[in-house]
Amino acid sequence: SAVISQKPSRDICQRGTSLTIQCQVDSQVTMMFWYRQQPGQSLTLIATANQGSEATYESGFVIDKFPISRPNLTFSTLTVSNMSPEDSSIYLCSVVGGLQETQYFGPGTRLLVL
Amino acid sequence: SQQGEEDPQALSIQEGENATMNCSYKTSINNLQWYRQNSGRGLVHLILIRSNEREKHSGRLRVTLDTSKKSSSLLITASRAADTASYFCATDAFNKFYFGSGTKLNVKP
Repeated sequence: SAVISQKPSRDICQRGTSLTIQCQVDSQVTMMFWYRQQPGQSLTLIATANQGSEATYESGFVIDKFPISRPNLTFSTLTVSNMSPEDSSIYLCSVVGGLQETQYFGPGTRLLVL
Repeated sequence: SQQGEEDPQALSIQEGENATMNCSYKTSINNLQWYRQNSGRGLVHLILIRSNEREKHSGRLRVTLDTSKKSSSLLITASRAADTASYFCATDAFNKFYFGSGTKLNVKP
């Protein structure tokens, strides 16, 4: 299984600012994803982070708000831009490992926007 | 949710009883996975069932998949207080991984 770390683990931010979340995997993986989990809710897929090309965003999520980088097969960043209190959430990165089947998750970044 | 619904939304049972959770999804899938999430903690992968499988077991877990109905169920037998958590199904819709709405399970000692 893949071991995934995220930084920061939590942060409190002011509205209008931006926060970049880092995701590091201990092995090379083909697919990396970013999710959002709002309080008491399920996980919502934000985008697929593609190595060497632009991320693929799900309906309702745009690059200007959530720019994503993936410079190599073990690292990705998600930026939450121009934050508002509605962006308060847990942000999780995940990877698909093994036989390209099982999805593993990082511990998440807990974000509070005031 | 992006993919489908789970029911019940919440389930409260006594220790030793069985718990059944159901998941429905919208699109064709490659496989379906179940996860557990303890309050405020990360996601733990429980079991994966492929689209060509109908039933799978792992310890006290039994998962079924009916692709004609686009539905799956997770059965936890002989539940324990430590099973108290939220349970989510997630579908692998060919390189897109979507989660169901989740079931909150409370197992009373």
